[in-house]
Amino acid sequence: AQSVSQHNHHVILSEAASLELGCNYSYGGTVNLFWYVQYPGQHLQLLLKYFSGDPLVKGIKGFEAEFIKSKFSFNLRKPSVQWSDTAEYFCAVTKINAGNNRKLIWGLGTSLAVNP
Amino acid sequence: EAGVVQSPRYKIIEKKQPVAFWCNPISGHNTLYWYRQNLGQGPELLIRYENEEAVDDSQLPKDRFSAERLKGVDSTLKIQPAELGDSAVYLCASSPGTFNEQFFGPGTRLTVL
Repeated sequence: AQSVSQHNHHVILSEAASLELGCNYSYGGTVNLFWYVQYPGQHLQLLLKYFSGDPLVKGIKGFEAEFIKSKFSFNLRKPSVQWSDTAEYFCAVTKINAGNNRKLIWGLGTSLAVNP
Repeated sequence: EAGVVQSPRYKIIEKKQPVAFWCNPISGHNTLYWYRQNLGQGPELLIRYENEEAVDDSQLPKDRFSAERLKGVDSTLKIQPAELGDSAVYLCASSPGTFNEQFFGPGTRLTVL
């Protein structure tokens, strides 16, 4: 079955540390890739997305992600985290079947806590 | 521009009672999604609408869950009767196209006692 794996369930960092959250998917065809974030008490919102083109994608708040097709990965990065980045991060993958039929699959999420 | 609106925000009911959730998507968004999210997990799709048509309800427990999207705008999700295991946050999202960026509402936190 197709799946999306987020390797780290809980991550704790100090401010100014670098962040990398892993996301791997198991589908080999055409995909669209997303990272969503949920800050405490707030709605889920889009952080960044990849549909095509440059595999290095810039998102909001200094986040970026790199699509590596050969590794089926879409890891999220930020060079220097802030306390305000404390949140739940979700990777999601849309697999596009023949006939443009689409299905979105979500990872289980990674809880990031940044200590001031 | 107003975001996705959901009501109620919180609901506490006893098992076997019915419950309904309402969602008003962003104006012009044809695609509407209902998700269920349990603590510590990602959203689980229950049903997806394209306008008023339910195009993916494969994950909806049809023995007790029902949904409708009359006129292709607002949507209602109903559970009848509720069970203890239905306690979760029910999220509504909308998007301008199928699986483009989704805009989420605040969710309804359901507690079944």
